[in-house]
Amino acid sequence: QITLKESGPPLVKPTQTLTLTCTFSGFSLKSRGEAVGWIRQPPGQALEWLALIFWDDDTRYGPSLKNRLTITKDASKNQVVLTMASVDPVDTGTYYCGHRDNLNYFDFWGQGTVVTVSS
Amino acid sequence: QSALTQPASVSGSPGQSITISCTGTNSDVGASFDYVSWYQHHPGEGPKLLIYNVKHRPPGVSYRFSGSRSGNTASLTISGLQAEDEADYFCNSYTSSATFVFGTGTKVTVL
Repeated sequence: QITLKESGPPLVKPTQTLTLTCTFSGFSLKSRGEAVGWIRQPPGQALEWLALIFWDDDTRYGPSLKNRLTITKDASKNQVVLTMASVDPVDTGTYYCGHRDNLNYFDFWGQGTVVTVSS
Repeated sequence: QSALTQPASVSGSPGQSITISCTGTNSDVGASFDYVSWYQHHPGEGPKLLIYNVKHRPPGVSYRFSGSRSGNTASLTISGLQAEDEADYFCNSYTSSATFVFGTGTKVTVL
């Protein structure tokens, strides 16, 4: 059974760097083909795919935020970390991590962590 | 990379069928790979996978949910609409740039 759980600060000030952690179980990012992604949802808006990291450290980023995002993994700890630089109030929302299946869909998701960017 | 286009809302009475469209381009929804998926999202929960690879249902997902695609438009049909189907629905596609793009989302209301 695959589970994922997001964690991070509920409140971040504008211009600061946001760091979110996804802790997972039921699979290993040491295994070929595995990948974990981050997705966010601003209040009342659509889901937005942010980033993906593969078992071999290959990474992908959404075009609109790629200059502000870094995704890394610690496979030994079963964790994936997303950092977002220079946050702004428009970055407020719920952030999810998800397990990516080899056929490029997200089959398991965390419950999300709510982040508010405000001074 | 623009979000895939979905209707903002769709409604139906219990027992009816509804269809949600998801329109993209030939670089995502209409691409030769079949990497279109659909998700159901209830507030406060993580999204739930309903359909993958355009038309395949994961184990445990009701047969009432079905997917299809024609050209650059994918569709999700919910048959025998039930009160529990009231939720937000999002489509997603892998793209020719090796990224992912979600749809704008559709709120389904059961009348």
